[in-house]
Amino acid sequence: AQTVTQSQPEMSVQEAETVTLSCTYDTSESDYYLFWYKQPPSRQMILVIRQEAYKQQNATENRFSVNFQKAAKSFSLKISDSQLGDAAMYFCAYRSGQWGGSQGNLIFGKGTKLSVKP
Amino acid sequence: ETGVTQSPTHLIKTRGQQVTLRCSSQSGHNTVSWYQQALGQGPQFIFQYYREEENGRGNFPPRFSGLQFPNYSSELNVNALELDDSALYLCASSLRLAANTGELFFGEGSRLTVL
Repeated sequence: AQTVTQSQPEMSVQEAETVTLSCTYDTSESDYYLFWYKQPPSRQMILVIRQEAYKQQNATENRFSVNFQKAAKSFSLKISDSQLGDAAMYFCAYRSGQWGGSQGNLIFGKGTKLSVKP
Repeated sequence: ETGVTQSPTHLIKTRGQQVTLRCSSQSGHNTVSWYQQALGQGPQFIFQYYREEENGRGNFPPRFSGLQFPNYSSELNVNALELDDSALYLCASSLRLAANTGELFFGEGSRLTVL
């Protein structure tokens, strides 16, 4: 079974600085997808960024980028120029590349609570 | 474009009761997934519906059941409530063809408290 581990329950960053959130995962599959979701106090999960395992290039979305190390099964999220609105729970998630059944859905880590100091 | 909406937002039940949670999927989405998020934990997959049929299930007992309607809205039913069922229940919709991109669109959840 696949697992996702986030070893940092809480992180803090100064506004405008850079922070990196860690995520490791375990799988025997070669085809899969990785995601970072943000959950603000409003509780609505929002997709931040995704990475296809077959792509070697790290995904980037504006101030958000990932460091995907497939061999190490590591998938960290870097937030540059942190803003007050970035404060939220961040969840790393895994999805099997096979569609259908329970394999078609997300396995989440326990999350990292990010605080942004003004 | 209407997003995913869930109702009720909060509810309190007692042990042994039954509960129904509702979800309206985002316009045009044909797949609905339900997740349970216990306090301090990440969401856990309960099941998924596509074309009104269950299309995948996580490690949850049969007293967790669901429905999907022709308009793609969905219900989650939980029978014989237990204290450990207290959690935030999240609904997420997607287009099946886009499923592998991970574009799940979540609602704000229903917070269930079981006393």
